[in-house]
Amino acid sequence: NAGVTQTPKFRILKIGQSMTLQCAQDMNHNYMYWYRQDPGMGLKLIYYSVGAGITDKGEVPNGYNVSRSTTEDFPLRLELAAPSQTSVYFCASSTTGLATNEKLFFGSGTQLSVL
Amino acid sequence: GQSLEQPSEVTAVEGAIVQINCTYQTSGFYGLSWYQQHDGGAPTFLSYNALDGLEETGRFSSFLSRSDSYGYLLLQELQMKDSASYFCAARDSSYKLIFGSGTRLLVRP
Repeated sequence: NAGVTQTPKFRILKIGQSMTLQCAQDMNHNYMYWYRQDPGMGLKLIYYSVGAGITDKGEVPNGYNVSRSTTEDFPLRLELAAPSQTSVYFCASSTTGLATNEKLFFGSGTQLSVL
Repeated sequence: GQSLEQPSEVTAVEGAIVQINCTYQTSGFYGLSWYQQHDGGAPTFLSYNALDGLEETGRFSSFLSRSDSYGYLLLQELQMKDSASYFCAARDSSYKLIFGSGTRLLVRP
């Protein structure tokens, strides 16, 4: 099993450009999440999904969009990149269940710079 | 709303015991999780407490007191490789998983 795979690992965008961060998991997990982490800070939830076709906003959703057409994939879209979106982005997944869904499996992250 | 408060930094000596505290305020509470993150790496799951009391996993233990809205992570027999950031996390009433701002642990020789 590859676990949670994120691509790309690094990306530099110009202000106003768009891009999609890819995330795929092969563990058949229903729950998937997107977090961003600014330097020296904690993780902020952007969007999450409890299953295919279901998504919901997290703490900091502005400037982002997501879709969940399959159980495996959960891409994050930045439409008009801004310098404030410079951050490390982590995708994560977890299974269902009262206790087991608390164990999140994280991808290796995407370091994004907007200049 | 939901907030989790942790000390920003803790320093300890190799071989010692260190406790990292987490206090939370939430409109709904299911349990408290702990994650470890080394510099440049991804967070990895350490433990989860749904009920009051102590959960032990090797050198790491985690404690929860629902009545005090408080939990802690206890690291014993500290090793240099334990130098990392540690995050507590909890779900709010809408089931979002929210993280604290993290505690940076520095283990000195």
